[in-house]
Amino acid sequence: DTAVSQTPKYLVTQMGNDKSIKCEQNLGHDTMYWYKQDSKKFLKIMFSYNNKELIINETVPNRFSPKSPDKAHLNLHINSLELGDSAVYFCASSLRYRVEKLFFGSGTQLSVL
Amino acid sequence: AQTVTQSQPEMSVQEAETVTLSCTYDTSESDYYLFWYKQPPSRQMILVIRQEAYKQQNATENRFSVNFQKAAKSFSLKISDSQLGDAAMYFCAYNTDKLIFGTGTRLQVFP
Repeated sequence: DTAVSQTPKYLVTQMGNDKSIKCEQNLGHDTMYWYKQDSKKFLKIMFSYNNKELIINETVPNRFSPKSPDKAHLNLHINSLELGDSAVYFCASSLRYRVEKLFFGSGTQLSVL
Repeated sequence: AQTVTQSQPEMSVQEAETVTLSCTYDTSESDYYLFWYKQPPSRQMILVIRQEAYKQQNATENRFSVNFQKAAKSFSLKISDSQLGDAAMYFCAYNTDKLIFGTGTRLQVFP
């Protein structure tokens, strides 16, 4: 069983479209995250949820909207996609709010044409 | 601001040799964790080793060990007996309420 699973693995879309990435963890963790890895491989946190509550919201355009229906799921919806949104998006989870160990999903490569 | 610096964009090592990847960080906190993550071409982020700041003893995981110098805010990774499968991007990371990553070091392993 995959601990942190995200779908889809690859997403190719046109500028201006709206898309969603789904993430689920079966580890019973309280905290989930979205990270963005750019073309230079730099990883930066976007959002963090603890028990469905948003606790970290870095300077991310409001076209990005995370949603956590329960503590096992954290989805990312992106409106009006732009070329600069092309990146790999990683979902991750940790047991509790203060990170002792982060478990990553396999990433979603988003390509905006 | 909390930052993590990896000064070596690329490193290379011969198979069976030893290589050390450097990492420094900046923080005013006393209680934190430090990590090294490996990202092979498959893109998966794999935890290599973890160090708790309050522990003076350096962490070791098989061929991987760290040199943790808390006063100097330095956290280097030593890979012994390098194998072809060690070729990957290596990220140093520091945590409080979120994991902050360095810019990564690409490690090449030559036969």
